[in-house]
Amino acid sequence: AQTVTQSQPEMSVQEAETVTLSCTYDTSESDYYLFWYKQPPSRQMILVIRQEAYKQQNATENRFSVNFQKAAKSFSLKISDSQLGDAAMYFCAYRSAWELGNQFYFGTGTSLTVIP
Amino acid sequence: GAGVSQSPSNKVTEKGKDVELRCDPISGHTALYWYRQSLGQGLEFLIYFQGNSAPDKSGLPSDRFSAERTGGSVSTLTIQRTQQEDSAVYLCASSYLAGGFTDTQYFGPGTRLTVL
Repeated sequence: AQTVTQSQPEMSVQEAETVTLSCTYDTSESDYYLFWYKQPPSRQMILVIRQEAYKQQNATENRFSVNFQKAAKSFSLKISDSQLGDAAMYFCAYRSAWELGNQFYFGTGTSLTVIP
Repeated sequence: GAGVSQSPSNKVTEKGKDVELRCDPISGHTALYWYRQSLGQGLEFLIYFQGNSAPDKSGLPSDRFSAERTGGSVSTLTIQRTQQEDSAVYLCASSYLAGGFTDTQYFGPGTRLTVL
């Protein structure tokens, strides 16, 4: 089974600064999808950004961008101009492109604190 | 449109009682997932439904856990003879699948189950 590793249980960033959250994964597949989800204290999991493995260009969504290194099986999330509302748990997730409708694999999460 | 909804938002029960948790997926989404999130932990896959196919029950931790999905829409997760270790947040997610193409999972707000 695929595994997703988030090696930083906790991170903190000063408001308006930039922070990078790490994620690595293990797979033998060549085509897959990668996701970053945000879970604020409200518990609602919110999609932050998504990357298709066959695309070389890194995905970006406003202040959020990823550094996708396929050979290294690394998928880090960069948050620029951090805001207080960015404080949350962040989960990295993997999904095979070939297993129709099969499960997502989630990391254990990184708790991000934003310091005013 | 409306997102994924779950009810109840919180449930407190006594050890040994049965509980039912409900999930209403986004209209038109053919895939539905249940996850369990214990305090401070990542997401543990429980069960997956896709259209009329047999569900993937590989994540259910014991035979006390079961789920059904009626009419390809609403799903109910049932936990029989609850134990204290069942205390967790139960998250439901739905996604749209067509022609083998997988789409993003959208999560509900979860049900926090506390077993006394």
